[in-house]
Amino acid sequence: SQQGEEDPQALSIQEGENATMNCSYKTSINNLQWYRQNSGRGLVHLILIRSNEREKHSGRLRVTLDTSKKSSSLLITASRAADTASYFCATDARDTDKLIFGTGTRLQVFP
Amino acid sequence: EAGVAQSPRYKIIEKRQSVAFWCNPISGHATLYWYQQILGQGPKLLIQFQNNGVVDDSQLPKDRFSAERLKGVDSTLKIQPAKLEDSAVYLCASSPGYGDSPLHFGNGTRLTVT
Repeated sequence: SQQGEEDPQALSIQEGENATMNCSYKTSINNLQWYRQNSGRGLVHLILIRSNEREKHSGRLRVTLDTSKKSSSLLITASRAADTASYFCATDARDTDKLIFGTGTRLQVFP
Repeated sequence: EAGVAQSPRYKIIEKRQSVAFWCNPISGHATLYWYQQILGQGPKLLIQFQNNGVVDDSQLPKDRFSAERLKGVDSTLKIQPAKLEDSAVYLCASSPGYGDSPLHFGNGTRLTVT
């Protein structure tokens, strides 16, 4: 079963624009993580936010977490063509201690 | 550090045949995972090892799938017999296994069952 649902399923933007992806989940979590997957490759860890944190930054990435709404968002600022990939949220569920991945957002950045 | 190694990269088999995938995790990583990723979906956890013991295999179809982790290092995942719906990418990941350590993924094995 998949814990997270991501929105939108697909997103197309121009280079330089910002990209926002949202993730909703169902159960209490220890942390929420975002991963990127380039076509034909494995997933790469981007950023982790703990359940007691509300916002975190890493370079051009900004992640927010709202545990009351069971949702998170990933913002990529000043996007580049190289950001083209699928992005997945993954929740570390408190009751099972398993990392469960969402359905993903496919981001296309046009030069 | 060397990443997670998986082989083969691609495999095409007919239904009812058997297939095996191999994974070599990052040195020193105690936890090893096998995920199944069907096209257009997120990865689904099949089995999780801590050293050479199974932590979770609740979503592993045990009538046809098996996995082992040799001496707490390398791992193999086997499917016997394969079904059409097993067509997917099989991803191996490892982590140090403590705290909030993230997962490190290999590039996966793309399985096509015809």
